[in-house]
Amino acid sequence: AQSVAQPEDQVNVAEGNPLTVKCTYSVSGNPYLFWYVQYPNRGLQFLLKYITGDNLVKGSYGFEAEFNKSQTSFHLKKPSALVSDSALYFCAVRDRNQGGKLIFGQGTELSVKP
Amino acid sequence: EAGVAQSPRYKIIEKRQSVAFWCNPISGHATLYWYQQILGQGPKLLIQFQNNGVVDDSQLPKDRFSAERLKGVDSTLKIQPAKLEDSAVYLCASSLEDTDTQYFGPGTRLTVL
Repeated sequence: AQSVAQPEDQVNVAEGNPLTVKCTYSVSGNPYLFWYVQYPNRGLQFLLKYITGDNLVKGSYGFEAEFNKSQTSFHLKKPSALVSDSALYFCAVRDRNQGGKLIFGQGTELSVKP
Repeated sequence: EAGVAQSPRYKIIEKRQSVAFWCNPISGHATLYWYQQILGQGPKLLIQFQNNGVVDDSQLPKDRFSAERLKGVDSTLKIQPAKLEDSAVYLCASSLEDTDTQYFGPGTRLTVL
């Protein structure tokens, strides 16, 4: 069965420091991988996706993610965190053979302190 | 470009009552999704439409939930009768085709008392 794990419920970083939000997945075959961000009382906003090609994917707001097939991971990173990055982050996977259905992780709360 | 629109934004009902949510996808998007997001969890797909046809409704509790997209544009999701465990945020998303990026609306927060 397809699944996504975000092992940390919360990540705390100081403003200006690098941040990493972890994601591992389990899916048959080659997946599509996504990161979304959710601010309070708002829907999910698309950050970036991996389809194929370069393992390092760059997205919105300075975020990037690295696809690691051997470790089945797709960690979200940013070199220098901002207080405004504080939000709930979701990793999602889509099986290439099962249409559009996204399987989401449980989310990681990112808190960036000044 | 206008995003995905949803209404209402908030709804409070008592158990056993009925409720309906409305979604207007991004113009030209053929695929429309309804997700349920329970507090503290990631969204879970309820139903996927391709134009006005259902592609996947395997996780839709069909004894109480129904959805339609009659003209292949707007969609409504209905719960009848509601249970306490239906309290959640109901998110609508759309994409050009089912292999494309999904864009989400702001959601409807349902509270069942």
